[in-house]
Amino acid sequence: SQQGEEDPQALSIQEGENATMNCSYKTSINNLQWYRQNSGRGLVHLILIRSNEREKHSGRLRVTLDTSKKSSSLLITASRAADTASYFCATDATPSLNNLFFGTGTRLTVIP
Amino acid sequence: DAGVIQSPRHEVTEMGQEVTLRCKPISGHDYLFWYRQTMMRGLELLIYFNNNVPIDDSGMPEDRFSAKMPNASFSTLKIQPSEPRDSAVYFCASSRTMADEQYFGPGTRLTVT
Repeated sequence: SQQGEEDPQALSIQEGENATMNCSYKTSINNLQWYRQNSGRGLVHLILIRSNEREKHSGRLRVTLDTSKKSSSLLITASRAADTASYFCATDATPSLNNLFFGTGTRLTVIP
Repeated sequence: DAGVIQSPRHEVTEMGQEVTLRCKPISGHDYLFWYRQTMMRGLELLIYFNNNVPIDDSGMPEDRFSAKMPNASFSTLKIQPSEPRDSAVYFCASSRTMADEQYFGPGTRLTVT
C-alpha cells in the first residue's frame, strides 16, 4: 500500500546540532505533511508542502520535496532537548484525494 | 476551540468485553478519522467519515470493530468482543477538508487483558 517511509528509524544528536529526517513514498501525491508526536500524546501537525512546491520553511523547520525522487526531508536546525519526539510524514494520493498514509516515524532524541 | 476530545483516556478491560471509544471533533471540521497505533504496526487508519458518512472502512481489522458518527459532533469506535491483540492507542483526528492538516485528539490507551 502507498505509505510514507521515514529514515532513519532513530536519530540521536546533541543539542544545537541539526537533525535531518527523510521520507520516501511510492505514488504521486497532492501534498506531503510532517507531524510530530511526543511520547504518550497525539500527533501535532508541523508543516504541509504541496506537490508544486520544492521547499518550505517554518521557524527552525525546513522541508524539501523532490517529486521526481518521491522523497521529502525535514530539517530541524539548532535542535533543542524539547525537540525530542517522533516525527512522521504523511502523504495523500492522487487523483482520488484519498486517505493520508503515515509512515512508521523517526524517533529523534536530542541530548542536552 | 478545545481541540479534538477523546474519552476515556485510558481503558482496561477483560477479553470478551465490549469497548466503546468516543470522539468529539473540532467544530466545523467535515472529516473525522480513527487511527490505531502500536509499536509493531505503527499508525494505521481504521476508518474515516465525511459529513458523518463513512467513506472508507477498509482499515477496520475485523467485524468486531464498528464505528458510527450519528452527528457532526460525535463519533464512536466499538470493539465487541475485545481481544488482547486489540491493545493499542486509538486516536481520533479531524480536518476541514481532505487536503488540510489533521488535528489529533490525545488518544485512548486501550489494554485488553
